This record gives sequence, C-alpha cells and structure tokens, in this order.
Amino acid sequence: DAGVTQSPTHLIKTRGQHVTLRCSPISGHKSVSWYQQVLGQGPQFIFQYYEKEERGRGNFPDRFSARQFPNYSSELNVNALLLGDSALYLCASSLGEGYTDTQYFGPGTRLTVL
Amino acid sequence: SQQGEEDPQALSIQEGENATMNCSYKTSINNLQWYRQNSGRGLVHLILIRSNEREKHSGRLRVTLDTSKKSSSLLITASRAADTASYFCATDLDSNYQLIWGAGTKLIIKP
Repeated sequence: DAGVTQSPTHLIKTRGQHVTLRCSPISGHKSVSWYQQVLGQGPQFIFQYYEKEERGRGNFPDRFSARQFPNYSSELNVNALLLGDSALYLCASSLGEGYTDTQYFGPGTRLTVL
Repeated sequence: SQQGEEDPQALSIQEGENATMNCSYKTSINNLQWYRQNSGRGLVHLILIRSNEREKHSGRLRVTLDTSKKSSSLLITASRAADTASYFCATDLDSNYQLIWGAGTKLIIKP
C-alpha cells in the first residue's frame, strides 16, 4: 500500500509570494494533519482536518490556511511568505479523528523562502 | 510552545550498546508517542503508550511512562548503525486534537 505522499519535494519561493503544498493520505485514512518543522526543532502543529472539517489549529497566523477534499487529500496554503516560513512541512494521516491514533507521516516538502 | 523536552539533546554510543532517551512533559496527557526521524525527512511512528500504562515493548524498544513525574523513557537495546536518527516524543493535550512535540534527541551509533 502507498504511504502518505507529498508534493512538491522541494520548493524555493521569494518573500511575499504564495505557496500551495499538497498531501495525499494513506487509502482509508480520513484525518490529515500538517506540521512545520524548522531545522533543529521538533514539529509544530499547524492544522488537523477530519472528514473535510477543521478539527484543530495551532498557533500560526492567518496567512496559513488549509482544506481537505472529498477524497481526503489536503492542501496547505501560505500567503505573503516570510523568510521565517522556511522549513520542512510535514503531512500526516491517521485512520480516525482522535489524537490517540497513530499518525503516518509523508516525506515532507522542504520550503525555502529567499 | 513545546510540551515535551527530550534529554539528552545528543547521544553517541558504540554499536551494540543500549541507548536511553528521556522525555519530560508539563501537563496531563492521554498518551505519549515516540517517533524516529532520519536525516530531516518524514517521521516514523515507533510506539504509543497510554496514560494508564507503565511500560510497553516493541522489538528492541522499551518505553516507560511515569505520570507522577510527567516523564517517559525510550530504551533501544543492542543498537545498530541503522538506529542513527533523531528521536522525538509527542504528547497530546487533553482537550485538543494536536500533538505537541519536543526538540528531539539526536542519536549516533558508531560502528
């Protein structure tokens, strides 16, 4: 079975631009979570979606938004990029909506903002 | 803010030795999970321990949880070069859907 996939693998943008990151969960998984991981730190929770509804939001500005589609894939959008947005963006899927469910991570999208 | 804090920040041992990493957290939890990350890529789930459990095993991994001390430990026995990675603990907040992560322990296994 295919694992969680993310695209693109790498991305270079300039300040002020907009970016869209994509994630396809494991087949049958209905929950998708997004994390930001700055080099040398642990992941920081951004969003969780379950059955196309936002179930949780971390401490990120409104420049960050996301959505989940009927096929449970998800997009993370970041507007007005800042240098500090440079990070590895990780997507994780799980079977259920709860935080007790094991999360399966994709390989991430490395975003560099110049 | 980060809920979990791993200790030590970095650990270097010889292949075959045991590696122990610790995680402390601040608030009550429902469960605690350990993940491994190789070379800054995706995280791999290792083990989940619930707040009513004290110890759990999975292959060469042993995890303990002490809710009175708000701490957990991950023991990797008979380490191998392939165990070289960063290890993170993640905890949930009782009333939230998010996992809170520590900064990780970087483990290096020397051949």
